[in-house]
Amino acid sequence: QQQVKQSPQSLIVQKGGISIINCAYENTAFDYFPWYQQFPGKGPALLIAIRPDVSEKKEGRFTISFNKSAKQFSLHIMDSQPGDSATYFCAASNGNSGYALNFGKGTSLLVTP
Amino acid sequence: GAVVSQHPSRVICKSGTSVKIECRSLDFQATTMFWYRQFPKQSLMLMATSNEGSKATYEQGVEKDKFLINHASLTLSTLTVTSAHPEDSSFYICSARDLRAGEKLFFGSGTQLSVL
Repeated sequence: QQQVKQSPQSLIVQKGGISIINCAYENTAFDYFPWYQQFPGKGPALLIAIRPDVSEKKEGRFTISFNKSAKQFSLHIMDSQPGDSATYFCAASNGNSGYALNFGKGTSLLVTP
Repeated sequence: GAVVSQHPSRVICKSGTSVKIECRSLDFQATTMFWYRQFPKQSLMLMATSNEGSKATYEQGVEKDKFLINHASLTLSTLTVTSAHPEDSSFYICSARDLRAGEKLFFGSGTQLSVL
């Protein structure tokens, strides 16, 4: 059972545009929400993460928006670049499970020149 | 960030043989490591949680006798796929927590297993 639902499945954005990926969860015990970037044949790399006591977190061109009441969070990539083309996964975890990550299904992002 | 090394990156084996995959935390001690499995263009699915010095905890549907996990030290966890079959072909990825970094998980580069 997918505990974290992610959309869209794929996304095409022009260079310089904003990429937006959305995720939703049901388990209110989750208290840690990271985003990972994965290139083909590689392990995922942590991009940015947020805890539910914060509504927004920004690191460089990456921003997480978090809506606790709606149980939704999203990743915004500003000024998207061709090098950002990769698969992005949202995830959620909690301390009771040792922070084992529950991943969304992933979004394949293509940034066109 | 913390570095997790996974080896080998790619392995091809014959059906019926066993394959061992190593996961090492290079610059930190990891009391807990996680093993994930990923099919092409799909998400990462948690297989098991590996705790140093104790038995691994397997997720529902994962055969513990087929996927043997050993976490003998604070820097090394191994996954052995026993009597591998073509349906075990997949991308296996380990991850570890660096307690100094709180809840963050760091991932290895993955192992592509192909069973002929």
